Amino acid sequence: DIQMTQSPSSLSASVGDRVTITCRASQGISHSLAWYQQKPGKVPRLLIYSVSALQSGVPSRFSGSGFGTDFTLTISSLQPEDVATYYCQKYDRVPHTFGQGTRLEIK
Amino acid sequence: QAQLVESGGGVVQPGTSLTLSCTASEFTFSIYGIHWARQAPGKGLEWVSLISPEGNSQFYGDSVRGRFTVSRDNSKNTVYLHLNGLRGEDTAIYYCAKEANLWGIAGYFDLWGQGTLVTVSS
Repeated sequence: DIQMTQSPSSLSASVGDRVTITCRASQGISHSLAWYQQKPGKVPRLLIYSVSALQSGVPSRFSGSGFGTDFTLTISSLQPEDVATYYCQKYDRVPHTFGQGTRLEIK
Repeated sequence: QAQLVESGGGVVQPGTSLTLSCTASEFTFSIYGIHWARQAPGKGLEWVSLISPEGNSQFYGDSVRGRFTVSRDNSKNTVYLHLNGLRGEDTAIYYCAKEANLWGIAGYFDLWGQGTLVTVSS
């Protein structure tokens, strides 16, 4: 099975900073990559699908890029409400594996 | 507004069984695959299972294959996850989630339920 590895595992940044989270697949998954945001005690929320397509209602400061095995989630200007854990997920075929998560905090 | 609601969680002893339900509303349930994912306390998300829209294909993660069974009743807009031979490491919040693609089984999750907690403890 394809493994999904995120880095870093945790991240602390200041309000207004540009933040980048990386997700690497152990084999190519084309553009079948999604990002989810999970705030503490809440249900995961879809942010981005097909590598770079923004889900309806998601602020434009979130963006995604990449292809094949290497992907990134970028927050262009970090806001206090972005404190959460972020997960990437492959969905080209089963299993729909998640990355281990990246915990984002405000410095 | 489209919604998924899980139920059936609880505290059970190791080796026992439990059935979780996921009931959908406000969308055409029978044309979407439904996934189960879980999250152990303080841990990340783990994909568990998928059932195809018509219920004729089921898929499982390695950690649950042979112990968990997924089924659906489209007349009741409900998917079931039957958990057998429960272990302490099965303790988690179990979420059901809807496939984004019509008739597909290779898509992202565009709708999640609120989750139901399963605790396996003696």
